[in-house]
Amino acid sequence: EAGVAQSPRYKIIEKRQSVAFWCNPISGHATLYWYQQILGQGPKLLIQFQNNGVVDDSQLPKDRFSAERLKGVDSTLKIQPAKLEDSAVYLCASSLSQASTEAFFGQGTRLTVV
Amino acid sequence: DAKTTQPPSMDCAEGRAANLPCNHSTISGNEYVYWYRQIHSQGPQYIIHGLKNNETNEMASLIITEDRKSSTLILPHATLRDTAVYYCIVRSTNQAGTALIFGKGTTLSVSS
Repeated sequence: EAGVAQSPRYKIIEKRQSVAFWCNPISGHATLYWYQQILGQGPKLLIQFQNNGVVDDSQLPKDRFSAERLKGVDSTLKIQPAKLEDSAVYLCASSLSQASTEAFFGQGTRLTVV
Repeated sequence: DAKTTQPPSMDCAEGRAANLPCNHSTISGNEYVYWYRQIHSQGPQYIIHGLKNNETNEMASLIITEDRKSSTLILPHATLRDTAVYYCIVRSTNQAGTALIFGKGTTLSVSS
């Protein structure tokens, strides 16, 4: 079974530029999560989707971050404009449903803002 | 905010049992204890979860105290590949939108 796919693996941008990350969850998984992991910390939830609807985006900095999952499958996370403090690993995870006991994580995209 | 407290780091000799503690004194009756681990440069990986009974699978054992205020993850025979950050998470599956909330975890270093 293919895992959660994320791209790119690494990205370096200058501050004030924009960037987008892509996630392809495991086939059939209705729930999709985006997490931000700053070096030395645990992952922090940014947004949770159930199919193509947003369940929780309370921790998403909406002035610069946006995410979508238009067809309930793939998802993109965008940052515009980026700040130095956005340097982190962005992890995508998926599960069969919100009540599933196991979430599957991708390898993440490491973003460096200079 | 994370509802658990874990030591920041632990060491273990290869082949010995690794016992990772977790305090969750405010756990509610409908909340489960989950353990995930994150190997360097990878995403977190599910290990095990439990409600109040002890649980065992091919990866580890989970021991939950009778009052459910603390638990211990046991890796019976640690190997170098078990070096990782281990996260203890409490989570309710009774409510919508119950995503995993991670703390800082315990960095386990297994040495030969």
